[in-house]
Amino acid sequence: DAKTTQPPSMDCAEGRAANLPCNHSTISGNEYVYWYRQIHSQGPQYIIHGLKNNETNEMASLIITEDRKSSTLILPHATLRDTAVYYCIVMGTGTASKLTFGTGTRLQVTL
Amino acid sequence: EAQVTQNPRYLITVTGKKLTVTCSQNMNHEYMSWYRQDPGLGLRQIYYSMNVEVTDKGDVPEGYKVSRKEKRNFPLILESPSPNQTSLYFCASSKAPRGGTEAFFGQGTRLTVV
Repeated sequence: DAKTTQPPSMDCAEGRAANLPCNHSTISGNEYVYWYRQIHSQGPQYIIHGLKNNETNEMASLIITEDRKSSTLILPHATLRDTAVYYCIVMGTGTASKLTFGTGTRLQVTL
Repeated sequence: EAQVTQNPRYLITVTGKKLTVTCSQNMNHEYMSWYRQDPGLGLRQIYYSMNVEVTDKGDVPEGYKVSRKEKRNFPLILESPSPNQTSLYFCASSKAPRGGTEAFFGQGTRLTVV
């Protein structure tokens, strides 16, 4: 599975959009981009995933570049409860595929 | 409600005393796995199971055992715990390990071995 690169930390004002970038330049054609987050020491929580097209759900939007080498997770109206570590993970479709967590981006939402 | 339940949430034990951390899911998922999380090392996979009676080692399996006798349960067994197994443990389940599926995680078990 491809590796990902994320900034170690970001700040965002409450009510503003939080845009979290991720580079995955070695991604292959059948690999999905996943985003999870971990609030304090709770279990990781699934946010969204995509293959090629942009995706949106009730939590966030995922924008994947046309060459698929990078993506951005967008939290449209960040709240204090969105303060967490956000993990971008690339995962293939083979039977040996697994979620491999890197160090993620620590998002701090402030008043 | 779809969920993964781990027990206990907190455990303090002594070196060498066998313990089991239970994990149960109510989503009829085939795939289950165990992770440990340590400061500076992130989440690392210990063991995983593709289905009943099918288990395999993850990245850090030493000192751990698992079993999968029923689809819903995937206990983690520490036969002789040591202080270096002090960690935060998470169980996860998903419909399949492949890309395109969502994984659900338990709330974690904080284990301290003294």
